[in-house]
Amino acid sequence: ELKVEQNPLFLSMQEGKNYTIYCNYSTTSDRLYWYRQDPGKSLESLFVLLSNGAVKQEGRLMASLDTKARLSTLHITAAVHDLSATYFCAVDTFQGAQKLVFGQGTRLTINP
Amino acid sequence: KAGVTQTPRYLIKTRGQQVTLSCSPISGHRSVSWYQQTPGQGLQFLFEYFSETQRNKGNFPGRFSGRQFSNSRSEMNVSTLELGDSALYLCASSLAGGDEKLFFGSGTQLSVL
Repeated sequence: ELKVEQNPLFLSMQEGKNYTIYCNYSTTSDRLYWYRQDPGKSLESLFVLLSNGAVKQEGRLMASLDTKARLSTLHITAAVHDLSATYFCAVDTFQGAQKLVFGQGTRLTINP
Repeated sequence: KAGVTQTPRYLIKTRGQQVTLSCSPISGHRSVSWYQQTPGQGLQFLFEYFSETQRNKGNFPGRFSGRQFSNSRSEMNVSTLELGDSALYLCASSLAGGDEKLFFGSGTQLSVL
């Protein structure tokens, strides 16, 4: 059974600092997704990573995928308050149909 | 382009009742999947439909069912509601359920009393 683990689960940081969220998964997969969720809101797609070594960046967020280590990272550069949210990674088992297994989520709070 | 639309936004039911939730995918999207989100269990996959066929199902009891119509709209039904069914139910759509982005709706917040 596929398991997806994120760490840390809670992260409080100051504006301007850099930090990384880690996502480990237990079985082979080439499809990894990152989502953002604001309180009371739905999930917003951030990145789709489809191959080993994939790196995608948007604004202050950069995601990477190492399928051999079964590890993805979401790096935040020079954090700003607007990035406060819960971030989820999800791995697609894709057995003929898209089925995502989500991590527990990382609640990120960025303080001025 | 309109996003994924879920109705109703909020729902309050009592134990033993049944409920039907609706999801309209983004125009042109043929894959619709459903997820349950609770504080304790997190986000869990319920099922996925493509061209009116259920292609995959998560580990939920038979009380949870769904269907997809020819226009790709989907409904999910929960019968004999239990307190533990209280959750945010999220619908997501994609073009064909492959390696594309999943677009999520705002969800239906179900409270079972």
